[in-house]
Amino acid sequence: AQRVTQPEKLLSVFKGAPVELKCNYSYSGSPELFWYVQYSRQRLQLLLRHISRESIKGFTADLNKGETSFHLKKPFAQEEDSAMYYCALSGRNTGFQKLVFGTGTRLLVSP
Amino acid sequence: NAGVTQTPKFQVLKTGQSMTLQCAQDMNHNSMYWYRQDPGMGLRLIYYSASEGTTDKGEVPNGYNVSRLNKREFSLRLESAAPSQTSVYFCASSLTTGGTEAFFGQGTRLTVV
Repeated sequence: AQRVTQPEKLLSVFKGAPVELKCNYSYSGSPELFWYVQYSRQRLQLLLRHISRESIKGFTADLNKGETSFHLKKPFAQEEDSAMYYCALSGRNTGFQKLVFGTGTRLLVSP
Repeated sequence: NAGVTQTPKFQVLKTGQSMTLQCAQDMNHNSMYWYRQDPGMGLRLIYYSASEGTTDKGEVPNGYNVSRLNKREFSLRLESAAPSQTSVYFCASSLTTGGTEAFFGQGTRLTVV
């Protein structure tokens, strides 16, 4: 079965500290992985996807097929990064258009 | 540039009442989805419509029905609301299949008492 696991419900760091939000997945085949973010009082929006290999707002994520992980990283957290982060996957087994979400991690960046 | 619009934003229902959540997108997307968001459980797919004229069950379809009225609109109906359906509901759309970006509505907070 396709599954996305985000082990941390809450991650609390100080401004300027490095951040790593963990995401592990189970999937038979080659999935496409995404990170979505929901800022306070805003709608859920795409942060980045693994196929783009891009850095958005200083965040990066590398797909590690050996460890089946797609951790989200940022070297220096900012207060405006405080939000709810969801890891998600799609692929042939899910019907491509269907996103399977993890349970989310709330990131709290304190001054 | 509205994107995905959901109505209503908030709703309180009594157990057994029915209601329809409306969703419309103006991005000419083919696929549309309904998710529910519950604390500690993330977003779970209720129903989706890969293209106009088709609908399919997601992970948690029991107690819900959907209608893809046209390419723009995808409604979610609760025929007999139950307290277990208290949740935040999100509509989303994407251009097509193949890992494309999903765009979300602002959510509907539903409370069933």
